[in-house]
Amino acid sequence: DTAVSQTPKYLVTQMGNDKSIKCEQNLGHDTMYWYKQDSKKFLKIMFSYNNKELIINETVPNRFSPKSPDKAHLNLHINSLELGDSAVYFCASSQEDQPGNTIYFGEGSWLTVV
Amino acid sequence: KQEVTQIPAALSVPEGENLVLNCSFTDSAIYNLQWFRQDPGKGLTSLLLIQSSQREQTSGRLNASLDKSSGRSTLYIAASQPGDSATYLCAVNPKNTGFQKLVFGTGTRLLVSP
Repeated sequence: DTAVSQTPKYLVTQMGNDKSIKCEQNLGHDTMYWYKQDSKKFLKIMFSYNNKELIINETVPNRFSPKSPDKAHLNLHINSLELGDSAVYFCASSQEDQPGNTIYFGEGSWLTVV
Repeated sequence: KQEVTQIPAALSVPEGENLVLNCSFTDSAIYNLQWFRQDPGKGLTSLLLIQSSQREQTSGRLNASLDKSSGRSTLYIAASQPGDSATYLCAVNPKNTGFQKLVFGTGTRLLVSP
């Protein structure tokens, strides 16, 4: 019974395409995140949503658009994919009624743009 | 700007050895520090979370310490096993954001040989 689940796990697509990655958490958390791990294995936050509202938006190209239909879901849509978008994208969630709670990560979505 | 550094980048030890992984961070204003494990092709598993008011946390053969004033944390693994082979990531949760915006180190890749 996976706590944070992402689909698809692997995605290979051509430059210029539009793709989406879906994320769902069944932990009842109020905050969800997208992190990106680049080819050098460096993990960095992209977005964070609290109760469906965007609260963190790092300097990410506007080709990336997160959408949170409800507290349990945070999807990532990417337009006009570029080679440099190839990375592993991790979804995560936490309960932020007080700061510093444990954050739980999904298993990642491997995106390869060719 | 918070920066997290992990030393060494890679470590290879024979089974049974005790080992220490190091993490340093530049800004001591943090809510907490987390140690994660990442297996190849897998997501992140939270191992230990140390709140800023704590000095250490223990879980089984793992012990993590935190010296906030000097900006350092160590992860001690006792009696290492081949199953401990993975990449270990350290992440701090900075206080200036209000919500979890983890800043990760680049990781230590551990190989424990039988």
